[in-house]
Amino acid sequence: EVQLVEFGGGVVRPGGSLRLSCAASGFTFDDYGMSWVRQAPGKGLEWVSVINWNGGSTGYAGSVKGRFTISRDSAKNSLYLQMNSLRAEDTALYYCARVATSLDAFDIWGQGTMVSVSS
Amino acid sequence: SSELTQDPAVSVALGQTVRITCQGDTLRNYYASWYQQKPGQAPILVIYGKNNRPSGIPDRFSGSSSGNTASLTITGAQAEDEADYYCNSRDNNSDHYVFGTGTKVTVL
Repeated sequence: EVQLVEFGGGVVRPGGSLRLSCAASGFTFDDYGMSWVRQAPGKGLEWVSVINWNGGSTGYAGSVKGRFTISRDSAKNSLYLQMNSLRAEDTALYYCARVATSLDAFDIWGQGTMVSVSS
Repeated sequence: SSELTQDPAVSVALGQTVRITCQGDTLRNYYASWYQQKPGQAPILVIYGKNNRPSGIPDRFSGSSSGNTASLTITGAQAEDEADYYCNSRDNNSDHYVFGTGTKVTVL
C-alpha cells in the first residue's frame, strides 16, 4: 500500500524550531519529488516547499523562505522539513505529498501533523 | 507569486451538474490539478492534466481549461461529493506551486 505518514508536530514557542518527518512506503521513493503543504485551522491549502527526486533542487513559498529547509533521505525513504524562527502564523496542519512530476500533481497525501506556535 | 481565485461556495441539487472555476494568470502556461477535501480528511487528487482522473475517481468528475480559467465539473452530483475543492498549478516560477482559495460545494 502506498502510504505517507507524517510525524514530529507539536507545540512550540514563537522563535522556536521543529523538525517534521514524513515516512514513505509502498513505492520507489527515489522516483518522485516530494512536497509539504499546510492548512491553518479553518483555512485553505497553502503550498510550502518542494524537493526533486534526488534532492538537487528545492523550492519554497515566500512566507517560509529563509526559515524552513526541506530535505530527504533515500536510505530511510523519508522527507523532512526543518522549521526555524517559527511564528504564530505558521500554526497549521502540515501535509506531506508525493509529486507526480509527469502528472504535475500531488497524487498521494499523508494525514498530516499539527504544528502550533504559541507562547 | 501568482494567485488562483475560486468562488468561495456553490450549491447543487442532487443529481444536477455543477462547475467550479479557478482563475489565474499561471493557468495560461500550466494545467490545473484539482483536489477534494472532506472535513477532517486529507485532500485527494480528482483531476490532473488536460482532463485526467486518477484510478478510483468517478467519471462524473471532469476538467477543462480556457485562457486563464480552469474548471472542474461534477455531472450528476452525489451526496458524497459535498466537500471543499481546491485547484493547484505551478507558479510562473516553475519551482513553485500555488493553490486556489478553495470552493465549498454543498449538495442539496
